[in-house]
Amino acid sequence: KNQVEQSPQSLIILEGKNCTLQCNYTVSPFSNLRWYKQDTGRGPVSLTIMTFSENTKSNGRYTATLDADTKQSSLHITASQLSDSASYICVVSAIDNDMRFGAGTRLTVKP
Amino acid sequence: ETGVTQTPRHLVMGMTNKKSLKCEQHLGHNAMYWYKQSAKKPLELMFVYNFKEQTENNSVPSRFSPECPNSSHLFLHLHTLQPEDSALYLCASSQDPLASSYNEQFFGPGTRLTVL
Repeated sequence: KNQVEQSPQSLIILEGKNCTLQCNYTVSPFSNLRWYKQDTGRGPVSLTIMTFSENTKSNGRYTATLDADTKQSSLHITASQLSDSASYICVVSAIDNDMRFGAGTRLTVKP
Repeated sequence: ETGVTQTPRHLVMGMTNKKSLKCEQHLGHNAMYWYKQSAKKPLELMFVYNFKEQTENNSVPSRFSPECPNSSHLFLHLHTLQPEDSALYLCASSQDPLASSYNEQFFGPGTRLTVL
């Protein structure tokens, strides 16, 4: 079982709607958690990074939350745009720099 | 553009061929990485180079052979691959290898490899 589980595996929403992607992890001892966005045909690009003491961080219409007690993170996308169509990958790092990747959520935004 | 380039972008090869993937970073970073990305699976870290020295090899089969001639260039030499090796191969770089999980990794666009 992967130490980073993302849900849903895929999601289709209409343009302008909000959505929330989930990431549950068992990585320990926890260091930080990143959300990456990967457009089709491109490599992942970092959206946010959060450490143990941070429970929310925003990057434009993207807001990530972290609950280190329950080992859960979410990525909320507000007022979605067609350009938000991509895979979103959760990456959790342990203190020894061991990084664990989730399988990603494939988001499709339709007009 | 992220400052990390990869060539070729697409590669189709037979199981008996020998080919190489190239990665170049223009960011002045000291660490470079090879990842394998298969459909619906998490990224798999293959190799890590810090200051041109290989520091990590995640039990990768010997048919994959990395080479890092300097901090800006990274190669992945391929020979006698199997169809299950078909995947997207991503290269990444980061500034400080000792704090790699805090320092953002910048990814290239990847090479889509198909083994027939």
